[in-house]
This record gives sequence, C-alpha cells and structure tokens, in this order.
Amino acid sequence: VQLQESGPGLVKPSQTLSLTCTVSGGSVRSGSFYWSWIRQPAGKGLEWIGRIYTSGSTNYNPSLKSRVTISLDTSKNQFSLRLSSVTAADTAMYYCASSYDYAWGSDRYTWFDPWGQGTLVTVSS
Amino acid sequence: SSELTQDPAVSVALGQTVRITCQGDSLRTYYATWYQQKLGQAPALVIYGKNNRPSGIPDRFSGSTSGNTASLTITGAQAEDEADYYCNSRDSSGNHVIFGGGTKLTVL
Repeated sequence: VQLQESGPGLVKPSQTLSLTCTVSGGSVRSGSFYWSWIRQPAGKGLEWIGRIYTSGSTNYNPSLKSRVTISLDTSKNQFSLRLSSVTAADTAMYYCASSYDYAWGSDRYTWFDPWGQGTLVTVSS
Repeated sequence: SSELTQDPAVSVALGQTVRITCQGDSLRTYYATWYQQKLGQAPALVIYGKNNRPSGIPDRFSGSTSGNTASLTITGAQAEDEADYYCNSRDSSGNHVIFGGGTKLTVL
C-alpha cells in the first residue's frame, strides 16, 4: 500500500485547508484499518489530527475537533482532510497514514504504517 | 493522563547501546509504538506491540515496557540510526491517539 497527499501548499488565514490522500495498492474499504492525518510544524513533533474507519466513523484530536472533518471517498480510493478557520499556527507538514488498532487479550496498541511522503501547507496572506 | 513524555535529546557513541524512553500513564494499558524519522523524511515504523519489528528493521532495535515507561533500545548503534524517534499510544479514553514529543538521537 502506498499513500500520496495532495492539495494547495498555501492557504490564507481564516480559510479552509483541504487535503486529499490517494491510496494505491489497496482499498480504503478493506480490512480493519483507520485512515489518519498527522501534522508536524517545522522543527517540532508529530500531532495526530484524526482518523476515519473503513465504516466512515471518525475520531478527532480534541484540541482540533471543532475545526476538523475527515471523509472517505471509496469511488476514488481516497480520504480527505478539511481544517477550517486556519491561522499561522496550522502551518505544518501534513502526513496521511494507514493505522491499525490491535487488541488481543491484554495486548493493545496502535500503529501507523505506511505513511505518505507529506505535503507542506503554509498559512499566510 | 493523556501525555507521553520523551527526553528531547540523547547521544550514543558509535557501536554502543542506547535506550530511548517514553513515559505516560496510558502505557499501563497500551503498548507504545516507535517511529524513526530521518531528516526530510516521513516517520517510519520501527517497533510495535510488545517487541515486534516490521520487515527490514534491523534486530539491533528492540522494545520493552515497565510500568508507565516504554523503552526503545538500540544495541550497537550505527551512524545511520541518527534520527528523531517518536513514540505513540492511545489516550485514557482509548479513542484518541497521542504522540510523545520526540527524542533526537545523535551518534557520536
């Protein structure tokens, strides 16, 4: 499976950031996977934005929940991110990734693999 | 708590062993997953679960957990291991993912 992000590299403050992740070598409808967005401001750490399950159910980072929408387009084998009312603080490298929640007995964990190469989004007028 | 704490920077001499730690209450419930991020690249999975390596990850990488602390150990660090390392887990609700702040590993 390979993932590739696409979308505008420059967004004006107060507008909506929109990115798409195209999945190849696999289907967004298959398996028990989540399709996730993670971002990373320059020189800083990773921040999970949210994820969508193959069924369409979503989980969002509580700190971004009011501004985030993640959706699935099974006809195009893509999933998308919309982040509204952006400010300079939303400037970051945005990654899409496949993730999986494993649970068997007391063994529980979540992994992200594979990742897209990332796309840089700058918020500026 | 819904936080994972990592030391910002760690250094190791070439060929020596280094341990990178990740601390948080959620690690009493969920194993940490570890990622390596080299400069200008996307993160890559290196350890998941109790101590599992994806194919292609050298066996000098290993993982362990004790209480609320997860550790990534590199036994015989190589120059190519110089990178940022991140842990992730789920928060106390189980519905959200959290990442540690990352550890910059320097191989001397």
